[in-house]
Amino acid sequence: AQSVTQPDIHITVSEGASLELRCNYSYGATPYLFWYVQSPGQGLQLLLKYFSGDTLVQGIKGFEAEFKRSQSSFNLRKPSVHWSDAAEYFCAVGEGGTASKLTFGTGTRLQVTL
Amino acid sequence: SQTIHQWPATLVQPVGSPLSLECTVEGTSNPNLYWYRQAAGRGLQLLFYSVGIGQISSEVPQNLSASRPQDRQFILSSKKLLLSDSGFYLCAWSGPGRSYEQYFGPGTRLTVT
Repeated sequence: AQSVTQPDIHITVSEGASLELRCNYSYGATPYLFWYVQSPGQGLQLLLKYFSGDTLVQGIKGFEAEFKRSQSSFNLRKPSVHWSDAAEYFCAVGEGGTASKLTFGTGTRLQVTL
Repeated sequence: SQTIHQWPATLVQPVGSPLSLECTVEGTSNPNLYWYRQAAGRGLQLLFYSVGIGQISSEVPQNLSASRPQDRQFILSSKKLLLSDSGFYLCAWSGPGRSYEQYFGPGTRLTVT
């Protein structure tokens, strides 16, 4: 069965600093990978996705992620963090089959200091 | 464009009372629909999913049930709530077939007292 690991439960960065959130997955075939962001008390918003092709994908709000098959990783990056980026971030892998189910990591909470 | 609605936004219910949470999607046809529960530090747990009207698959045994009476309507129910049913419930949709992107509603915060 597929699984997703987000090893960092909580990360604090200063506004303007760069950010990298880690995600490792376990999946037998070529994975479909996603990053979502959740503000407190809100639903999840899709930041970006990887299906195939270029391993560096661009998303909304200035985020990008790089798929590295050899490391089974899909880390999320942003060159300069804004205070409004403070939220919880979830990595997910898509499961095969017609139901398009996703398996989520446990999330990384990002705190931004001014 | 597609939109997804959930209601109510918040709910406080006593133990043993029934539950009905509703989710509707606009702007798409024959979506896959999902119910998740989110607990602190545990990410999202998939409860139910549906690929069509009347077709419900359960992921975990629990005190809850789901129904899909219409193409774009998904309902989460319970006959008797438990304290452990408290949590943040999220509904999501994806395109039909193998369309892995899921889009989430705003969620319902349920507190069972």
